[in-house]
Amino acid sequence: GEDVEQSLFLSVREGDSSVINCTYTDSSSTYLYWYKQEPGAGLQLLTYIFSNMDMKQDQRLTVLLNKKDKHLSLRIADTQTGDSAIYFCAEITGFQKLVFGTGTRLLVSP
Amino acid sequence: GAVVSQHPSWVICKSGTSVKIECRSLDFQATTMFWYRQFPKQSLMLMATSNEGSKATYEQGVEKDKFLINHASLTLSTLTVTSAHPEDSSFYICSASSGTASNQPQHFGDGTRLSIL
Repeated sequence: GEDVEQSLFLSVREGDSSVINCTYTDSSSTYLYWYKQEPGAGLQLLTYIFSNMDMKQDQRLTVLLNKKDKHLSLRIADTQTGDSAIYFCAEITGFQKLVFGTGTRLLVSP
Repeated sequence: GAVVSQHPSWVICKSGTSVKIECRSLDFQATTMFWYRQFPKQSLMLMATSNEGSKATYEQGVEKDKFLINHASLTLSTLTVTSAHPEDSSFYICSASSGTASNQPQHFGDGTRLSIL
Protein backbone atom coordinates (compact mmCIF):
# COMPACT_ATOMS: atom_id res chain seq x y z
CA GLY A 1 0.00 0.00 0.00
CA GLU A 2 0.95 3.64 -0.18
CA ASP A 3 -0.03 4.85 3.29
CA VAL A 4 2.03 7.58 4.86
CA GLU A 5 1.25 8.00 8.55
CA GLN A 6 1.84 10.96 10.84
CA SER A 7 0.74 11.84 14.32
CA LEU A 8 -2.18 14.26 14.20
CA PHE A 9 -1.18 16.92 16.66
CA LEU A 10 1.85 18.34 18.45
CA SER A 11 1.94 21.16 20.93
CA VAL A 12 5.16 22.84 22.09
CA ARG A 13 6.24 26.03 23.80
CA GLU A 14 8.06 28.77 21.98
CA GLY A 15 11.80 28.16 22.05
CA ASP A 16 11.48 24.39 22.41
CA SER A 17 12.37 21.92 19.69
CA SER A 18 9.60 20.20 17.75
CA VAL A 19 9.91 16.75 16.27
CA ILE A 20 7.35 15.61 13.73
CA ASN A 21 7.41 11.96 12.76
CA CYS A 22 6.37 10.19 9.60
CA THR A 23 6.20 6.54 8.59
CA TYR A 24 6.02 5.60 4.96
CA THR A 25 5.59 2.25 3.27
CA ASP A 26 7.12 2.45 -0.20
CA SER A 27 10.76 1.42 0.14
CA SER A 28 11.43 2.42 -3.47
CA SER A 29 10.79 6.11 -2.81
CA THR A 30 13.79 8.09 -3.97
CA TYR A 31 12.95 11.39 -2.34
CA LEU A 32 11.01 12.31 0.76
CA TYR A 33 9.63 15.78 1.34
CA TRP A 34 8.38 18.00 4.09
CA TYR A 35 5.77 20.64 3.30
CA LYS A 36 4.20 23.31 5.51
CA GLN A 37 0.62 24.49 5.12
CA GLU A 38 -0.68 27.58 6.86
CA PRO A 39 -4.45 28.10 7.25
CA GLY A 40 -6.20 28.66 3.94
CA ALA A 41 -2.99 28.51 1.96
CA GLY A 42 -1.18 26.14 -0.34
CA LEU A 43 1.86 24.06 0.53
CA GLN A 44 5.30 25.46 1.04
CA LEU A 45 8.21 23.14 0.36
CA LEU A 46 10.44 23.17 3.45
CA THR A 47 13.06 20.61 2.62
CA TYR A 48 13.62 17.22 1.06
CA ILE A 49 16.02 14.35 1.47
CA PHE A 50 17.37 11.80 -0.96
CA SER A 51 16.80 8.22 0.10
CA ASN A 52 20.51 7.40 0.36
CA MET A 53 21.03 10.08 3.00
CA ASP A 54 20.54 9.66 6.74
CA MET A 55 20.35 13.30 7.68
CA LYS A 56 19.98 16.72 6.18
CA GLN A 57 20.24 20.02 8.02
CA ASP A 58 18.99 23.34 6.76
CA GLN A 59 19.15 26.18 9.29
CA ARG A 60 16.60 25.34 12.00
CA LEU A 61 15.39 22.23 10.22
CA THR A 62 16.90 18.78 10.56
CA VAL A 63 15.57 15.81 8.65
CA LEU A 64 16.42 12.30 9.79
CA LEU A 65 15.76 9.27 7.62
CA ASN A 66 15.79 5.67 8.80
CA LYS A 67 15.31 3.77 5.60
CA LYS A 68 15.33 0.38 7.29
CA ASP A 69 12.33 1.32 9.42
CA LYS A 70 10.85 3.64 6.74
CA HIS A 71 10.79 6.41 9.30
CA LEU A 72 11.27 10.09 8.57
CA SER A 73 11.36 12.93 11.06
CA LEU A 74 11.52 16.71 10.93
CA ARG A 75 13.07 18.57 13.83
CA ILE A 76 12.48 22.29 14.16
CA ALA A 77 14.92 23.95 16.53
CA ASP A 78 13.92 27.01 18.55
CA THR A 79 10.29 26.73 17.47
CA GLN A 80 8.52 30.04 16.99
CA THR A 81 4.82 30.93 16.99
CA GLY A 82 5.12 31.50 13.25
CA ASP A 83 5.93 27.81 12.86
CA SER A 84 2.36 26.92 13.86
CA ALA A 85 0.90 25.18 10.83
CA ILE A 86 0.16 21.75 9.43
CA TYR A 87 3.20 19.79 8.31
CA PHE A 88 2.97 17.11 5.66
CA CYS A 89 5.55 14.54 4.79
CA ALA A 90 5.36 13.11 1.29
CA GLU A 91 7.06 10.42 -0.72
CA ILE A 92 7.57 10.07 -4.43
CA THR A 93 6.13 6.97 -6.01
CA GLY A 94 5.90 6.14 -9.66
CA PHE A 95 6.08 8.96 -12.17
CA GLN A 96 6.57 11.94 -9.87
CA LYS A 97 3.42 11.18 -7.92
CA LEU A 98 3.51 12.57 -4.41
CA VAL A 99 1.77 10.60 -1.70
CA PHE A 100 1.11 12.80 1.28
CA GLY A 101 0.95 11.88 4.90
CA THR A 102 -2.05 12.62 7.03
CA GLY A 103 -0.54 15.86 8.28
CA THR A 104 0.57 16.97 11.75
CA ARG A 105 -0.89 20.12 13.22
CA LEU A 106 1.82 21.95 15.16
CA LEU A 107 0.71 24.47 17.75
CA VAL A 108 3.35 26.69 19.28
CA SER A 109 2.34 28.56 22.40
CA PRO A 110 4.13 31.64 23.76
CA GLY B 1 12.16 31.46 -7.45
CA ALA B 2 9.66 28.71 -8.35
CA VAL B 3 6.50 30.70 -7.79
CA VAL B 4 3.13 29.22 -8.66
CA SER B 5 0.12 31.48 -8.83
CA GLN B 6 -3.41 30.14 -8.54
CA HIS B 7 -6.52 32.13 -9.35
CA PRO B 8 -9.09 32.74 -8.02
CA SER B 9 -8.33 32.19 -4.36
CA TRP B 10 -11.99 31.88 -3.40
CA VAL B 11 -15.13 31.44 -5.41
CA ILE B 12 -18.75 31.07 -4.38
CA CYS B 13 -21.30 30.16 -6.98
CA LYS B 14 -24.68 28.58 -7.50
CA SER B 15 -25.23 24.91 -8.15
CA GLY B 16 -25.02 24.07 -11.85
CA THR B 17 -22.39 26.68 -12.64
CA SER B 18 -19.06 25.75 -14.24
CA VAL B 19 -15.99 27.17 -12.54
CA LYS B 20 -12.52 27.57 -14.03
CA ILE B 21 -9.40 27.67 -11.87
CA GLU B 22 -6.07 28.80 -13.29
CA CYS B 23 -2.61 27.68 -12.25
CA ARG B 24 0.41 29.56 -13.54
CA SER B 25 4.11 29.06 -13.06
CA LEU B 26 5.50 32.60 -12.93
CA ASP B 27 9.25 32.16 -13.18
CA PHE B 28 9.81 28.71 -14.61
CA GLN B 29 8.45 26.43 -17.28
CA ALA B 30 6.22 23.75 -15.86
CA THR B 31 6.53 20.54 -17.81
CA THR B 32 4.12 18.85 -15.46
CA MET B 33 1.28 20.24 -13.38
CA PHE B 34 -0.76 18.46 -10.78
CA TRP B 35 -4.23 19.09 -9.38
CA TYR B 36 -5.14 18.14 -5.83
CA ARG B 37 -8.25 18.28 -3.75
CA GLN B 38 -8.21 18.77 -0.01
CA PHE B 39 -11.15 18.27 2.33
CA PRO B 40 -11.20 20.06 5.71
CA LYS B 41 -8.61 18.72 8.12
CA GLN B 42 -7.50 16.09 5.64
CA SER B 43 -4.52 15.49 3.46
CA LEU B 44 -4.19 16.25 -0.23
CA MET B 45 -5.60 13.82 -2.75
CA LEU B 46 -4.15 13.82 -6.23
CA MET B 47 -6.85 14.27 -8.86
CA ALA B 48 -4.86 14.35 -12.07
CA THR B 49 -1.47 14.92 -13.64
CA SER B 50 -1.11 17.02 -16.76
CA ASN B 51 1.80 17.38 -19.13
CA GLU B 52 2.00 20.29 -21.50
CA GLY B 53 0.38 19.52 -24.82
CA SER B 54 -1.08 16.16 -23.89
CA LYS B 55 -4.18 14.83 -22.19
CA ALA B 56 -4.29 14.74 -18.43
CA THR B 57 -3.97 11.47 -16.54
CA TYR B 58 -6.72 11.14 -13.98
CA GLU B 59 -6.56 9.19 -10.74
CA GLN B 60 -8.98 6.39 -10.13
CA GLY B 61 -12.39 7.64 -9.12
CA VAL B 62 -11.96 11.13 -10.55
CA GLU B 63 -14.49 11.93 -13.27
CA LYS B 64 -12.67 13.37 -16.25
CA ASP B 65 -15.87 14.83 -17.68
CA LYS B 66 -16.56 16.57 -14.41
CA PHE B 67 -13.08 17.96 -13.88
CA LEU B 68 -11.72 19.19 -17.19
CA ILE B 69 -8.00 19.89 -17.25
CA ASN B 70 -6.17 21.80 -19.94
CA HIS B 71 -2.41 22.34 -20.01
CA ALA B 72 -2.01 24.36 -23.16
CA SER B 73 1.32 26.01 -22.38
CA LEU B 74 4.37 25.50 -20.23
CA THR B 75 3.17 28.11 -17.77
CA LEU B 76 -0.57 27.57 -17.55
CA SER B 77 -2.93 24.78 -16.60
CA THR B 78 -6.64 25.14 -15.95
CA LEU B 79 -9.12 23.03 -14.05
CA THR B 80 -12.78 23.48 -14.90
CA VAL B 81 -15.36 22.04 -12.54
CA THR B 82 -18.34 21.53 -14.81
CA SER B 83 -21.90 21.83 -13.54
CA ALA B 84 -20.67 22.14 -9.98
CA HIS B 85 -22.78 20.86 -7.11
CA PRO B 86 -22.44 21.31 -3.33
CA GLU B 87 -20.48 18.05 -3.02
CA ASP B 88 -17.80 19.61 -5.24
CA SER B 89 -17.14 22.25 -2.59
CA SER B 90 -13.56 21.83 -1.51
CA PHE B 91 -10.08 23.34 -1.49
CA TYR B 92 -8.34 22.76 -4.82
CA ILE B 93 -4.56 23.12 -5.03
CA CYS B 94 -2.32 22.94 -8.05
CA SER B 95 1.39 22.28 -8.19
CA ALA B 96 3.98 22.55 -10.93
CA SER B 97 7.30 20.94 -11.65
CA SER B 98 9.95 21.90 -14.16
CA GLY B 99 10.89 18.36 -15.02
CA THR B 100 10.02 14.72 -14.86
CA ALA B 101 12.82 13.56 -12.59
CA SER B 102 12.01 12.74 -9.00
CA ASN B 103 14.53 15.29 -7.73
CA GLN B 104 12.59 18.20 -9.19
CA PRO B 105 10.10 19.02 -6.48
CA GLN B 106 6.59 20.23 -6.96
CA HIS B 107 5.87 23.84 -6.11
CA PHE B 108 2.37 24.61 -4.95
CA GLY B 109 -0.08 27.39 -5.55
CA ASP B 110 -2.01 28.95 -2.69
CA GLY B 111 -5.15 27.01 -3.47
CA THR B 112 -8.70 27.87 -4.46
CA ARG B 113 -11.55 27.53 -2.05
CA LEU B 114 -14.66 26.54 -3.98
CA SER B 115 -18.05 26.88 -2.31
CA ILE B 116 -21.12 25.75 -4.21
CA LEU B 117 -24.47 26.89 -2.85
